[in-house]
Amino acid sequence: KAGVTQTPRYLIKTRGQQVTLSCSPISGHRSVSWYQQTPGQGLQFLFEYFSETQRNKGNFPGRFSGRQFSNSRSEMNVSTLELGDSALYLCASSLAGGFYGYTFGSGTRLTVV
Amino acid sequence: QQPVQSPQAVILREGEDAVINCSSSKALYSVHWYRQKHGEAPVFLMILLKGGEQKGHEKISASFNEKKQQSSLYLTASQLSYSGTYFCGTEANQAGTALIFGKGTTLSVSS
Repeated sequence: KAGVTQTPRYLIKTRGQQVTLSCSPISGHRSVSWYQQTPGQGLQFLFEYFSETQRNKGNFPGRFSGRQFSNSRSEMNVSTLELGDSALYLCASSLAGGFYGYTFGSGTRLTVV
Repeated sequence: QQPVQSPQAVILREGEDAVINCSSSKALYSVHWYRQKHGEAPVFLMILLKGGEQKGHEKISASFNEKKQQSSLYLTASQLSYSGTYFCGTEANQAGTALIFGKGTTLSVSS
């Protein structure tokens, strides 16, 4: 079956711009989580959506937002980009509760210049 | 609350064993373990639930001490393919909580 698909794979943006990243989960998975990965910081939790509702949110500024559609696809948006937002953004999908683990996409590499 | 992993890095020769630890200050419902190879996405290894048994996956197994809120990942007779960064992820002891990851342990296995 198809895995978790993230688009685009690479993105270069200028400071101050905004960006939208997309994530299509595994068919049947209703939970989508987003993580920011930078060297030395590991996987930092951004937010988690289940059935179009944000259930959990990490400690990121309000410039980071997301949403989930009725088909479970999710998008995350970062407004007013800063150099420090350069990172690999990973999304992961799971069946409700994550009992069978999370499946990660290959990520979107965002570079802010 | 981010779980704490130790050690930060491990260097092994093929055939040697390693233990990676993960501890949390919060009561936990579950502990996940993932491995990420360079340039790839993290891959799910196993989950341990509160009240559950020690799990195993090939020569990789893990345990969960509920009293101490600690989990350990055991890699025995390591192979070159075991190299990568290992992350534990924890879910707090209530339904619908997020999976929070530790900073990772980098394992390097050489021949």
